[in-house]
Amino acid sequence: KAGVTQTPRYLIKTRGQQVTLSCSPISGHRSVSWYQQTPGQGLQFLFEYFSETQRNKGNFPGRFSGRQFSNSRSEMNVSTLELGDSALYLCASSLISGVDNEQFFGPGTRLTVL
Amino acid sequence: SQKIEQNSEALNIQEGKTATLTCNYTNYSPAYLQWYRQDPGRGPVFLLLIRENEKEKRKERLKVTFDTTLKQSLFHITASQPADSATYLCALDALNTDKLIFGTGTRLQVFP
Repeated sequence: KAGVTQTPRYLIKTRGQQVTLSCSPISGHRSVSWYQQTPGQGLQFLFEYFSETQRNKGNFPGRFSGRQFSNSRSEMNVSTLELGDSALYLCASSLISGVDNEQFFGPGTRLTVL
Repeated sequence: SQKIEQNSEALNIQEGKTATLTCNYTNYSPAYLQWYRQDPGRGPVFLLLIRENEKEKRKERLKVTFDTTLKQSLFHITASQPADSATYLCALDALNTDKLIFGTGTRLQVFP
């Protein structure tokens, strides 16, 4: 069974631009969560989508948004990029929603904002 | 506010010894606690989940304990191998939500 895939793997943008990251969950998984990982803050929860609906949201500004499609694929968008948005963005999928479920992480998208 | 603490300093041990990593939390009582392994440049990989009513869980060379009185989880790797070298993250469910909060992780280095 194929794992979680994320595209692109690396991205370089400049301040003020916007970016869209994509995540394809494991086949059959309906929950997709997004995380931001930085050396200083560690892994921080951005949001979770389940059956095309946002179920949970972390403490990030409105510049961070996401969506999920009917095939469970998910996209995350960051508008008006700031230097501090440079991070590894990880997507994780699970069969169903809930913190008692194993999460399968993708390899991440490394975003650098110049 | 809820806080998770993992030893930020790397843990260096000799091959064959037991590695013990600590995850402490404050200001709430999680129902679930998970442990993940992360290698450089890769996403975390799930290892074990333990519930608040379970004191201990084992999987091959791994053992996790969950002490709700001490607000602490211990993660043990017995007969450690150099291939066990990685960063280990603990994660807990956030209060009254379905969100997972991750600790910053502890880097384990196993020397031959």
